[in-house]
Amino acid sequence: KAGVTQTPRYLIKTRGQQVTLSCSPISGHRSVSWYQQTPGQGLQFLFEYFSETQRNKGNFPGRFSGRQFSNSRSEMNVSTLELGDSALYLCASSFSSGGLADTQYFGPGTRLTVL
Amino acid sequence: QKEVEQNSGPLSVPEGAIASLNCTYSDRVSQSFFWYRQYSGKSPELIMSIYSNGDKEDGRFTAQLNKASQYVSLLIRDSQPSDSATYLCAVNPQNNLFFGTGTRLTVIP
Repeated sequence: KAGVTQTPRYLIKTRGQQVTLSCSPISGHRSVSWYQQTPGQGLQFLFEYFSETQRNKGNFPGRFSGRQFSNSRSEMNVSTLELGDSALYLCASSFSSGGLADTQYFGPGTRLTVL
Repeated sequence: QKEVEQNSGPLSVPEGAIASLNCTYSDRVSQSFFWYRQYSGKSPELIMSIYSNGDKEDGRFTAQLNKASQYVSLLIRDSQPSDSATYLCAVNPQNNLFFGTGTRLTVIP
């Protein structure tokens, strides 16, 4: 079974621009979560989508948004980029049966650099 | 107060030794606990999950959970240089994961 895929793998943008990142979950997985990872803050939860609905949201400004499509693929958008948005953005998918064994599997990540 | 706390390390152990990684969490309703390994420049990969108090063993890895003390640990027996990585503890109280900042482990040949 193919793993979680993310595109693009690397991205360079300038301040003020916007960016869209894409994530395709493992086949059959309905939940997609997004995380930001930086050396100083570690892995921080952005939001989670399930059945095209945002189910959970972390403490990030409104410039960070996302959506999920009917095939469970998800996109994340960051508008008005700031230097501090430079990070590794990770997507994770899970089956989300609601039970205890709901493990998240990570994609390879998108490395975003804001100049 | 952070949701999940880990010693950032670095933790250095000689090859063949036991590496002990510790994690505490603050949310008492947490029911699912995970250990991920992350190599430099790579994404986290799942090593172990544990849901009940006690020990869970998988090969050279043993996860230990004590919900009363809000403590979860990971033991790596017969440590190998390939185990050198950052180990992330994650707690799942409500449909999302809270991660610790990770412990960097170095296994010295």
